Formats: sequence, structure tokens, C-alpha cells
Amino acid sequence: GENVEQHPSTLSVQEGDSAVIKCTYSDSASNYFPWYKQELGKRPQLIIDIRSNVGEKKDQRIAVTLNKTAKHFSLHITETQPEDSAVYFCAASIRGSQGNLIFGKGTKLSVKP
Amino acid sequence: GAGVSQSPSNKVTEKGKDVELRCDPISGHTALYWYRQSLGQGLEFLIYFQGNSAPDKSGLPSDRFSAERTGGSVSTLTIQRTQQEDSAVYLCASSSQGPLMNTEAFFGQGTRLTVV
Repeated sequence: GENVEQHPSTLSVQEGDSAVIKCTYSDSASNYFPWYKQELGKRPQLIIDIRSNVGEKKDQRIAVTLNKTAKHFSLHITETQPEDSAVYFCAASIRGSQGNLIFGKGTKLSVKP
Repeated sequence: GAGVSQSPSNKVTEKGKDVELRCDPISGHTALYWYRQSLGQGLEFLIYFQGNSAPDKSGLPSDRFSAERTGGSVSTLTIQRTQQEDSAVYLCASSSQGPLMNTEAFFGQGTRLTVV
């Protein structure tokens, strides 16, 4: 079946440093790539998404880049803060299933003050 | 309420019993997803409904799992003859997307299932 790989599984950074999380996908027809943040004990919430017709999107300290040729996309968080600590999930749409979303296994980000 | 609602929030059941988990999506949302999240793990896809199309059931782990979506709104996930490995948080999400354009999926708070 379709697959989304996410790396690293855990990431620890110092406050103020940047964090990068990478994902690859297998369905070349995928055209929608959201990123979700899940704080401990809470539901996942969308933080940023990108569609296949653009290569990069920014929202304040968060940016996502997409390389369709290589079938990978990345989340970049700059000037990290302790409140950025959470589990981050990438996902890709599965066009053959009319838009089903398949998630990566998640990255646990820890930002040390 | 305006969000995705799941019930019950917690369910403890004995091994071998059947359970039903309910999801009320956001009104008007045509897409509905079920995922399973074991402790500290990722979001494992179970089943996906999109409008009146046949659901994508490719993620259901065994024939003990089934789901329905009545009238294009409320969905019920049923687990028959529960086993201890079924213990997890079951998350439902919905979105307003059509089949050709994904939009944000909103998650419910989940149902924590414990099989003893």
C-alpha cells in the first residue's frame, strides 16, 4: 500500500535552534501534504499544509518545502521555543483513494530551555 | 458543538466482548477518517469514507473490525471479540474536501479503549 516515511523519530534541540523533520511518500499522484502537531494528551492539530503546485510555504517560524521529483517534503521550525515541544506528524494524500490521508509515524520534538 | 465529537471518551471492556465507537463529524463534512494510535505511536489508518463512494477499508487490521457511516454523517467503528492488542486511542477526523481537493482534517478527542 501507499507509505509515508518520517525521520527522525525523536529530535532534541536547544531553545533558539532550528529543527527539521523530513518525510518521503510513495504515491507520485499525491498532491496534498499537511503537518500536524500533537501535544501530550491532546488531539492532532494542523499547523501548516502545502499543495503540489508550490515548492515552499511559510507561516511565521514554520515553513514546509516540497520536492515532487524526489517525493519528499520537510518541516522547518526556526527559533524554537519550549512550547514547540510535541509530536509532529506529516501526511500525504492518496489520490487513488480519493484523497485519503496516510500519516508518518511521528517525530517527538523536545526543545530544551 | 462545532468540532468533531467522539463517544465514549473512555471505554474499558473485557476480552472477547464487542465494542462500538461513535464519531459525529463536523456538519457538512463529506470526508471521514478513522485512525488508531497506540501508546506513544503514530496514527495508523483504519478506514476512510468520502461522500457516497465506497469506503477505503484497506487499513482495517482484521475482519473483527468494521465501520459504517449512516446518511453521510455519523460513523460507528465496531470491534468484535476484542483482544488486548486492540487497546489504543481511536481517533476520528473529518474534512470538507471533495474527492479531488483535500482540505484540513479536524480530529476528535478520541476514544481510549482498554481491553482487560
